[in-house]
Amino acid sequence: DQQVKQNSPSLSVQEGRISILNCDYTNSMFDYFLWYKKYPAEGPTFLISISSIKDKNEDGRFTVFLNKSAKHLSLHIVPSQPGDSAVYFCAASAPGANNLFFGTGTRLTVIP
Amino acid sequence: KAGVTQTPRYLIKTRGQQVTLSCSPISGHRSVSWYQQTPGQGLQFLFEYFSETQRNKGNFPGRFSGRQFSNSRSEMNVSTLELGDSALYLCASSLTGQRNTEAFFGQGTRLTVV
Repeated sequence: DQQVKQNSPSLSVQEGRISILNCDYTNSMFDYFLWYKKYPAEGPTFLISISSIKDKNEDGRFTVFLNKSAKHLSLHIVPSQPGDSAVYFCAASAPGANNLFFGTGTRLTVIP
Repeated sequence: KAGVTQTPRYLIKTRGQQVTLSCSPISGHRSVSWYQQTPGQGLQFLFEYFSETQRNKGNFPGRFSGRQFSNSRSEMNVSTLELGDSALYLCASSLTGQRNTEAFFGQGTRLTVV
């Protein structure tokens, strides 16, 4: 049973515009969330994280929003750049557990 | 510093065989986690080793096993391979394995079972 879901397998955005990637989770015990980016033939690399005590975390062009009541988080990339084209995974973990539950990924294509 | 190294990068095996994959973590990292990535399931957690002990285990059959050596290098073994085991196997290393410490992934081993 997939506890972390990314319902959009792909997303295309024009360069300079905002990219919004969405993620839903079902396990109310999750309290720490991460986004990873993956280029072809490379392993995922950490992008940004957020703890459930916050509802927003920002790092440069990347902002993650968390809506605990809706069990939903989103990653905003502004402005989007062609180098952002990759597969983005959201992941979650619960207290006392150090393994991550990943979504199935969203392939972002930024069109120049 | 050198990143996480996984060997081999690609592997083709026949059903029923067994396979061993290797992961060398970043120097100083004591935690190694293994994940299986398939197109429909995303990344799924297999197990985590810390200081040569399995600390956490995912929901995979006993055919999947692992170990960690005193130098923190880890191996993953899959016995009696099935077609459904075809996947990208990723390992991630971190200093402590605690969830607020960044995990660094290797490039993965692409296993194809025929």
